[in-house]
Amino acid sequence: QVVLTQSPSASASLGASVKLTCTLSSGHSSYAIAWHQQQPEKGPRFLMKLNSDGSHIKGDGIPDRFSGSSSGAERYLTISSLQSEDEADYYCQTWDTSWVFGGGTKLTVL
Amino acid sequence: QVQLVESGGGVVQPGRSLRLSCAASGFIFSSYGMHWVRQAPGQGLEWLAVIWFDGSKKYHADSVKGRFTISRDNSNNTLDLQMNSLRAEDTAIYYCAKDGGVTGSYLDIWGQGTMVTVSS
Repeated sequence: QVVLTQSPSASASLGASVKLTCTLSSGHSSYAIAWHQQQPEKGPRFLMKLNSDGSHIKGDGIPDRFSGSSSGAERYLTISSLQSEDEADYYCQTWDTSWVFGGGTKLTVL
Repeated sequence: QVQLVESGGGVVQPGRSLRLSCAASGFIFSSYGMHWVRQAPGQGLEWLAVIWFDGSKKYHADSVKGRFTISRDNSNNTLDLQMNSLRAEDTAIYYCAKDGGVTGSYLDIWGQGTMVTVSS
């Protein structure tokens, strides 16, 4: 079964950029994933579906500051021009015989 | 606009049952798969169950298999989760979510969640 690995935490300064990583387990490098954002005390929000070739489909209303890219088994979420409201937990998600979430990355905006 | 609204949460004793519902609006409900996901206090997201657009297939996570059952009513645009033999570790916020396709893939719309507390 596929496993998704995320760093527990990340931080970056207001106005800077940050790149979050989601790693697919061995043998699953062709899988697409989805990125979700969960702001404090709120439900999750879909950001984008990200394919293995780096192409992605964003959710409605997601700013251009959010972009995705891929390299091998790594799936990235880059947030540019960081704003205070970007401070949140970010989860990746994928699917095959089951549906799986990564453990999440808590992003702190300094 | 596209909206999912969960209901049915509350405080329940261990071993009892609870049924959650999710009312969908703003999209053609019968054309998409649907999911339930939960989040225990201070923890990450845990996928629980998916049901195909027409209800023909259902899959449940091992952690709830045999105790929880997902179902849908396409005539009323509702999704349900029947939860039996509840345990303290089932305490969580429960979210329904729309699938991006007709069968299971990525989740692209989330509800606001409903809290379930299992306690004596």
